[in-house]
Amino acid sequence: EIVLTQSPGTLSLSPGQRATLSCRASQTVTYRYLAWYQQKPGQAPRLLIYGASSRATGIPDRFSGSGSGTDFTLTISRLEPEDFAVYFCQQYGSSPQTFGQGTKLEIK
Amino acid sequence: EVQLVESGGGLVQPGGSLRLSCAASGFIFSSRAMSWVRQAPGKGLEWVSGISGSGDSTYYADSVKGRFTISRDNSKNTLYLQMNSLRADDTAVYYCAKVVEPHYDFWMDVWGQGTTVTVSS
Repeated sequence: EIVLTQSPGTLSLSPGQRATLSCRASQTVTYRYLAWYQQKPGQAPRLLIYGASSRATGIPDRFSGSGSGTDFTLTISRLEPEDFAVYFCQQYGSSPQTFGQGTKLEIK
Repeated sequence: EVQLVESGGGLVQPGGSLRLSCAASGFIFSSRAMSWVRQAPGKGLEWVSGISGSGDSTYYADSVKGRFTISRDNSKNTLYLQMNSLRADDTAVYYCAKVVEPHYDFWMDVWGQGTTVTVSS
């Protein structure tokens, strides 16, 4: 199975700053079949990005995804207070689909 | 509005069984695959099982294969997860999630609020 490794484990930033989260796969992710989810404490995950770079419905344009092959990035251009959460990547190009271990984005 | 509401979680002894349900509304249930994803306390997400929109095809993570059974009743817009031979490492919040296609192997655009399963003596 494809192992997804997210880095950093924790990212400490201030509102207004730019956040760059990494997701590295142990093998090529077919067709850029990679999604990003946001999860806040006590809540279910929320879809942000699919197909590596397509924003889900209702997601602000400060969220963007990029990458291909084994290296993918989620960028939040200007952090808002509500963006501080845990972010997971998921690959669905190879069975079984797998998730990264998460990056916690915390307020500095 | 698309909604998924899980139920059936609780405390069960090791070796016991539990059946989770997920009631869906706001979309054509039979046209979308569904998945169960779990999250152990303080841990990340783990895909557990998926089922096609028709219910003809089912898929399982190796960690639950042979112990868990996913099914759906499209006439009742309800997804199920029958969990047998439960172990302590099955303790988690279990989410049902709507897949964007009829086949399970795509991203999940709507998630339920989760139901907690605790396996302990």
